[in-house]
Amino acid sequence: SQTIHQWPATLVQPVGSPLSLECTVEGTSNPNLYWYRQAAGRGLQLLFYSVGIGQISSEVPQNLSASRPQDRQFILSSKKLLLSDSGFYLCAWRSGGSYEQYFGPGTRLTVT
Amino acid sequence: GQSLEQPSEVTAVEGAIVQINCTYQTSGFYGLSWYQQHDGGAPTFLSYNALDGLEETGRFSSFLSRSDSYGYLLLQELQMKDSASYFCAVRPFSGGYNKLIFGAGTRLAVHP
Repeated sequence: SQTIHQWPATLVQPVGSPLSLECTVEGTSNPNLYWYRQAAGRGLQLLFYSVGIGQISSEVPQNLSASRPQDRQFILSSKKLLLSDSGFYLCAWRSGGSYEQYFGPGTRLTVT
Repeated sequence: GQSLEQPSEVTAVEGAIVQINCTYQTSGFYGLSWYQQHDGGAPTFLSYNALDGLEETGRFSSFLSRSDSYGYLLLQELQMKDSASYFCAVRPFSGGYNKLIFGAGTRLAVHP
């Protein structure tokens, strides 16, 4: 069966510090991978998606970046965090022919 | 662009039936999905409508009318565990099947 992992689960970082969130998927190959951000009490905002290694599409201009160094690994990064980067970050995957997305447990980021 | 509108909150009692509406403005999309998210948790897939009409999955049903730019999620025999946020989402043609645009979500509170 397929499993998606995210870490860390929670993170408190000061403004201006770097960020690295990692997401890995097990039990499937060549998944489509996604990063979403959810502000408190709000919907999900698509940040990045990837259809293959090294292929990243950015949806929202911001100080975040994403990379996919391996088939089942997706990384969200920032060089300098802003207060507005606080939120619940969710990684998701989808197999090529499916309409259903599977979400990881999320990382709750608080920038202070 | 695309936008989806949902009521922000809905309240119902155990055993009742509740309908959560989703109206959208989009130039074209592959289908309408519904996701459930409990507080602090990750969204989980509930249903998908590629075509107009009703899709039934146990206590949950989802409906789509493209001509009316409207869909809904119907929850029957409500249980306390159904208290959660519910999101509608569309996969627009412009995203090449990779983008999933979410509504802001409807918070459902089920009372005894």
